[in-house]
Amino acid sequence: AAGVIQSPRHLIKEKRETATLKCYPIPRHDTVYWYQQGPGQDPQFLISFYEKMQSDKGSIPDRFSAQQFSDYHSELNMSSLELGDSALYFCASSVHRASSTDTQYFGPGTRLTVL
Amino acid sequence: AQTVTQSQPEMSVQEAETVTLSCTYDTSESDYYLFWYKQPPSRQMILVIRQEAYKQQNATENRFSVNFQKAAKSFSLKISDSQLGDAAMYFCAFATGGGNKLTFGTGTQLKVEL
Repeated sequence: AAGVIQSPRHLIKEKRETATLKCYPIPRHDTVYWYQQGPGQDPQFLISFYEKMQSDKGSIPDRFSAQQFSDYHSELNMSSLELGDSALYFCASSVHRASSTDTQYFGPGTRLTVL
Repeated sequence: AQTVTQSQPEMSVQEAETVTLSCTYDTSESDYYLFWYKQPPSRQMILVIRQEAYKQQNATENRFSVNFQKAAKSFSLKISDSQLGDAAMYFCAFATGGGNKLTFGTGTQLKVEL
């Protein structure tokens, strides 16, 4: 079965640079979530989108922005990178259900290292 | 706000034995969902099992089952006939109804010994 695709898998950037992470959800999934997992930490919710609209927002820095496109893929844009942004970034996708919660399926993650 | 607590940072189990991982949560919501995710060394987040709060019957998936105690806000995971491939970090997670974000516990590192 098709899974969530994330690219790139690994990314190395310098401080103050920008980075763009991409996420392609499972076919027919219309909702995308972004999570950040620091070393030895649990995943922390950043932001989510449903039908190209932001549906929820967590502890996402103002330096970060994201959007969902008409084909449902999503991009997380990160500017003015800091050392503390080094983490594993997960994208998850699900089907939106108004009266319940569908299971979120995770991609393999993008490992971002800021030097 | 919802909180998820996993009080066991590490657990060990002998191969073929049974182990139970604990999770408690706190919420004022009545419509919510609970999950266990597994994160092996590859760091992939893999769904293990899901429980709807409105269901009284405990969820099972092959060797994995949960003990959902709604009044006590407890959601433990039992792994039967443990295998070497079960070694991983296990995260308990919570989501409210309507497709909302997951809130994770701090995880339990499970080691499986021969």
